[in-house]
Amino acid sequence: EAQVTQNPRYLITVTGKKLTVTCSQNMNHEYMSWYRQDPGLGLRQIYYSMNVEVTDKGDVPEGYKVSRKEKRNFPLILESPSPNQTSLYFCASSLSPNRVYGYTFGSGTRLTVV
Amino acid sequence: DAKTTQPTSMDCAEGRAANLPCNHSTISGNEYVYWYRQIHSQGPQYIIHGLKNNETNEMASLIITEDRKSSTLILPHATLRDTAVYYCIVRVSNAGNNRKLIWGLGTSLAVNP
Repeated sequence: EAQVTQNPRYLITVTGKKLTVTCSQNMNHEYMSWYRQDPGLGLRQIYYSMNVEVTDKGDVPEGYKVSRKEKRNFPLILESPSPNQTSLYFCASSLSPNRVYGYTFGSGTRLTVV
Repeated sequence: DAKTTQPTSMDCAEGRAANLPCNHSTISGNEYVYWYRQIHSQGPQYIIHGLKNNETNEMASLIITEDRKSSTLILPHATLRDTAVYYCIVRVSNAGNNRKLIWGLGTSLAVNP
């Protein structure tokens, strides 16, 4: 089944403890992106990747890192999480960023930083 | 990308048609209208898109006005499982680099038994 898989689904962590949220897609998509969703603010893009080894900042990149060493994986790294990074996170992929109808989203990761 | 305006919330009776409006008065000629929905904090799911002609697929119909300044998503026979937040997004089809999607707050549709 074509899908974007995020792990973990839920995570509670403490301030300053490094964590990684994994994202993997099995559709050979070139474009991948991370979003965070907060009440009243909607979905905001954190980082995106046009292809392997090509990544760039979105609207709210502060406090996050990403890497794209393989086409299928696009992990989101929080080096020193803070409470303002408590949010619902989504990974998305598409054959191309222009194929707006072709975005596939993961099921989400609900992160709480205490 | 053109800005969109949607009502904050709507109600619909189960089995009836749900008509969700979207205003995009500043839309330009090469911008498409896309609809996604998000069911209870799951990842958004694509529904339908169109440029100027009306479109229909197995999920919904999209009616775009002749001047393209507004559109309506129609769920012909709404079920309880259609309760979700519906997002209307306007974007060019061939935008080059990233050109991220602009997600508003959408319309929260409640389908009632």
